[in-house]
Amino acid sequence: EVQLVESGGGLVQPGGSLRLSCAASGFTFNTYTMNWVRQAPGKGLEWLSYMSSSSSVIKYADSVKGRFTISRDNAKNSLYLQMNSLRAEDTAVYYCARDSPWGGTLDYWGQGTLVTVSS
Amino acid sequence: HSALTQPASVSGSPGQSITISCTGTSSDFGTFNYVSWYQQHPGKAPKLMIYEVTNRPSGVSNRFSGSKSGNTASLTISGLQAEDEGDYYCSSYTSSSTYVFGTGTKVTVL
Repeated sequence: EVQLVESGGGLVQPGGSLRLSCAASGFTFNTYTMNWVRQAPGKGLEWLSYMSSSSSVIKYADSVKGRFTISRDNAKNSLYLQMNSLRAEDTAVYYCARDSPWGGTLDYWGQGTLVTVSS
Repeated sequence: HSALTQPASVSGSPGQSITISCTGTSSDFGTFNYVSWYQQHPGKAPKLMIYEVTNRPSGVSNRFSGSKSGNTASLTISGLQAEDEGDYYCSSYTSSSTYVFGTGTKVTVL
């Protein structure tokens, strides 16, 4: 069974940093592109970033480019999101999601971790 | 890429059919048919319901179907049931090799 479990969320002050983790199990992690998606309270889904299986291809949404960094450790079956210079508008539930084997689809999602940026 | 446009809400009675539209630009949809639909219940993670415009993952009811014409994709739910209530989002893999989501539609079963 595919499982994705996010962790690392919490309360952080504006301008602060946070690192999110996503632990994957139930599939061969090192063969899949992985994504981060967020959802602000009461709002819609926003795709943030993906990293290919070998880490060779990385993409970011303009809203987080230069502030957020995606990374992965295939030996630990884990995906990460380093978030710097956090703003109030970054407050959201952050999901990791797996790219489908055929690409172009996010087929499995974690339950999410809440990040609150507030003083 | 700005968010794809969906109606804010759609409602129907049990047993009826409803259709949710998802409108974007040609660059939003790219050259591939990578349009997906997700169902989200309150406090839960999104669940994949349709991929590549028309395909259903294993375990998803055949009451859910997808289509696309030009720059508008659609999700139809037939035989509406109480459990279908929730938020629905379309998504596309764009010509810039990124993902874009729709604005979301709240489905209410009357």
